[in-house]
Amino acid sequence: DQQVKQNSPSLSVQEGRISILNCDYTNSMFDYFLWYKKYPAEGPTFLISISSIKDKNEDGRFTVFLNKSAKHLSLHIVPSQPGDSAVYFCAASVGTGKLIFGQGTTLQVKP
Amino acid sequence: DGGITQSPKYLFRKEGQNVTLSCEQNLNHDAMYWYRQDPGQGLRLIYYSQIVNDFQKGDIAEGYSVSREKKESFPLTVTSAQKNPTAFYLCASNSPTEGRANYGYTFGSGTRLTVV
Repeated sequence: DQQVKQNSPSLSVQEGRISILNCDYTNSMFDYFLWYKKYPAEGPTFLISISSIKDKNEDGRFTVFLNKSAKHLSLHIVPSQPGDSAVYFCAASVGTGKLIFGQGTTLQVKP
Repeated sequence: DGGITQSPKYLFRKEGQNVTLSCEQNLNHDAMYWYRQDPGQGLRLIYYSQIVNDFQKGDIAEGYSVSREKKESFPLTVTSAQKNPTAFYLCASNSPTEGRANYGYTFGSGTRLTVV
């Protein structure tokens, strides 16, 4: 049973435009959400997180939105740059510190 | 610099062999985790340990074993019972007891295991 789902395996956007990556979850007990970025043959690196008591968190070009009623979160990247091309994973925790990851979305930013 | 080190980066295993993947961290993190990445399946949890000398099975523990004799080290053994071991293996650590802000994992750079 996939508790964290990223239903779009891939996304392609033009440089300078907005990239929106989506993530849905089923467990209402999740209290912390994170986004990671991964390049091929490397470990994921942390991008941005959000607590379940907030609905938005912003860090530079990256903004995460949380809609608890819809059990949905999204990552917005504005403006998108070619260096943003990578696999993006969303993750969630129920308070134990153990993260449950989605399947990942491959973002391609075209120059 | 503090970090988490996985070795080797590439590993080849013959059918029927056991192999051990190394994971060492100097971040003083309490918890350590092993994940496996396969194309289209994201990161799946194999084993995790929240304290020394204790560990729990994750979602896909069959065919794997771990130990946590030291806080810094969490080696993963891929046994011959693992039917499809070819994958990219990732080790991670965090300190969840220090609050939600510390839930975020630090990942190693991964080990690519190939069965030949």
